[in-house]
Amino acid sequence: NAGVTQTPKFQVLKTGQSMTLQCAQDMNHNSMYWYRQDPGMGLRLIYYSASEGTTDKGEVPNGYNVSRLNKREFSLRLESAAPSQTSVYFCASRGQVANYGYTFGSGTRLTVV
Amino acid sequence: AQSVTQLGSHVSVSEGALVLLRCNYSSSVPPYLFWYVQYPNQGLQLLLKYTTGATLVKGINGFEAEFKKSETSFHLTKPSAHMSDAAEYFCAVTLGGSNDYKLSFGAGTTVTVRA
Repeated sequence: NAGVTQTPKFQVLKTGQSMTLQCAQDMNHNSMYWYRQDPGMGLRLIYYSASEGTTDKGEVPNGYNVSRLNKREFSLRLESAAPSQTSVYFCASRGQVANYGYTFGSGTRLTVV
Repeated sequence: AQSVTQLGSHVSVSEGALVLLRCNYSSSVPPYLFWYVQYPNQGLQLLLKYTTGATLVKGINGFEAEFKKSETSFHLTKPSAHMSDAAEYFCAVTLGGSNDYKLSFGAGTTVTVRA
């Protein structure tokens, strides 16, 4: 089925460890986004990529890096995980027409201990 | 910059009763407005959207929302709640006509449905 695929679905890290969250979409969308979801705070934008080859910071970029590997893939890296990064992470993509809205992946639940 | 405020973090309704979720936005230019639903342990699913044209928009699962520019509101309603409507609902706004179309989300409203 067409959509946004995120891996892994669950992950537990120790403080200071690093990891990369993977995201791929098969809808030929130009724009891709990474959000984190925390209770009572909705979704906050971490980084986004408006098109292949470009990335920009969102609302809460500190502690994260991203790579737009190609049009399909957009990865999020935590270089040195901290307990404050415990969250649910969502990847989303959007086609060229903004009023179509975003398509979201099913999320990665990350716990940093 | 645009922003969204959802009034009420939790709403409890009886099965068959009206569901009303409130959303107010701020934007200096005409906005695009969205409602998303999130079922437990799932991603977000688009319920409905307003971009231009008719201000009353209908979405999936019997939900609808009305864009009121004078009130800067985009409240979500459903005439008769069903048990399957129990979920978290997010209002979101993006700027119409901008180049990056970043979505700003409200904090969310959790709906519980009583039998």
